[in-house]
Amino acid sequence: EVKLLESGGGLVQPGGSMRLSCAASGFTFTDFYMNWIRQPAGKAPEWLGFIRNKANGYTTEYNPSVKGRFTISRDNTQNMLYLQMNTLRAEDTATYYCTRLGDFDYWGQGVMVTVSS
Amino acid sequence: DIVLTQAPLSVSVTPGESASISCRSSKSLLSSKGITSLYWYLQRPGKSPQLLIYQMSNLASGVPDRFSSSGSETDFTLKISKVETEDVGVYYCGHRLEYPFTFGSGTKLEIK
Repeated sequence: EVKLLESGGGLVQPGGSMRLSCAASGFTFTDFYMNWIRQPAGKAPEWLGFIRNKANGYTTEYNPSVKGRFTISRDNTQNMLYLQMNTLRAEDTATYYCTRLGDFDYWGQGVMVTVSS
Repeated sequence: DIVLTQAPLSVSVTPGESASISCRSSKSLLSSKGITSLYWYLQRPGKSPQLLIYQMSNLASGVPDRFSSSGSETDFTLKISKVETEDVGVYYCGHRLEYPFTFGSGTKLEIK
């Protein structure tokens, strides 16, 4: 059974940094692109970016809205996906999802990040 | 960025009746490989979004065939036949044609 479990959220001050983690299980992690998507309360999801699979060199793509501030990485020995978020702003407040997109999607349960002083 | 515009904002449906949701794209979602990159999601209250339809008209695994989708290159419709109480939530369309992937603003389905 595919499982994605996010962790690392919480309250952070504006200008601060936070790293989210996602533990993946139930599939061959290196075979798949992995995405981060966020969703502010009551609003639509926003795709943040992905990291490609082994066959495609683990390269990344980002939404221009976060490019340069957010970094997606993976530890393939631990089946972990990460989202490093820097220079956080109030508008980054959202639930963050780790996802495996495809003809069938897998989404984690999400982790909340609140940026506030 | 590709803008996806959904209508209506909300819909109230009697159980057993049908509902339709529209999604209009600012750009053709037909890829060079002949695939229309339009996806439909349902987000039930307090839950993560779940995929209903992929590539415009294909039912995702485990999704009841009461759900169907059709469209052209820019205009799409999700139809829910014989609505059930478990269909309550917010429906989003989304695309994966190019970066950044984007989503529509959502349509809330309520039961009368």
